Amino acid sequence: DGGITQSPKYLFRKEGQNVTLSCEQNLNHDAMYWYRQDPGQGLRLIYYSQIVNDFQKGDIAEGYSVSREKKESFPLTVTSAQKNPTAFYLCASSTVGREKLFFGSGTQLSVL
Amino acid sequence: AQTVTQSQPEMSVQEAETVTLSCTYDTSESDYYLFWYKQPPSRQMILVIRQEAYKQQNATENRFSVNFQKAAKSFSLKISDSQLGDAAMYFCAYRGSGTYKYIFGTGTRLKVLA
Repeated sequence: DGGITQSPKYLFRKEGQNVTLSCEQNLNHDAMYWYRQDPGQGLRLIYYSQIVNDFQKGDIAEGYSVSREKKESFPLTVTSAQKNPTAFYLCASSTVGREKLFFGSGTQLSVL
Repeated sequence: AQTVTQSQPEMSVQEAETVTLSCTYDTSESDYYLFWYKQPPSRQMILVIRQEAYKQQNATENRFSVNFQKAAKSFSLKISDSQLGDAAMYFCAYRGSGTYKYIFGTGTRLKVLA
C-alpha cells in the first residue's frame, strides 16, 4: 500500500546533539512538508519542497535543516541550534491534482 | 500573508447531537482550497472534508458538512449525530491555488459526552 513512513516513532536528543528524522513516501508525490506540533497547538510549517533539490523555509525554519535528494525522501535534521526541540513532528506530501495533504504517523522528539 | 483562525479552543457535544466548529481565514486570493482535518488521540491526521473556493455548493461527507461563506471568509464544520469516535482535535487549513503551502489553524478540541 502507498503511504508515508516516518521513523523513528520516538526519538531522544541529548544536549548539543543533531538528530535526523526520516520521512519516506511511495505515493510519487511531488511536494513534501515538515510540520511541528506543540502540545495543544496547531501545526507550524518548518520546511517544504516542491521538487527534488529544491526546498523553501516555512514559518519556523531556524534550527532545522532539510534535504531533498530523491523524490521519495525528505529528511529533517534538528540541529543543536534549536533550543526547544521537544515536539511532535509530522511529515506530509501532496501532488498536483490531489489537492490535499497526506500525513505520516509522526515522530515524537524529546530532550534528555 | 494568509492566516487561519479557530477561535474555539474546546467544544463539547452530547452524543447524537449536532455541533458546529468555526474557522475564519484571511486571504487576498480568489481561488483556494479549504480543509478540515481530524486528529484523534492516535495523532494520525485524517482529512474530514475539502472545499474548493470556486464551488458555491457546500461540501458534505456523510455526517460532516461545511458552511462556506466566501465573502465573510468563514468556513465552519457541522458534525451531525455526533459519535464518541468524533472526539478529537479538529484543524482548519487553507491552501492557495497557486502554491503548495498549507496553513493550519490552532485547532479545536472536541469532546463528545455519552
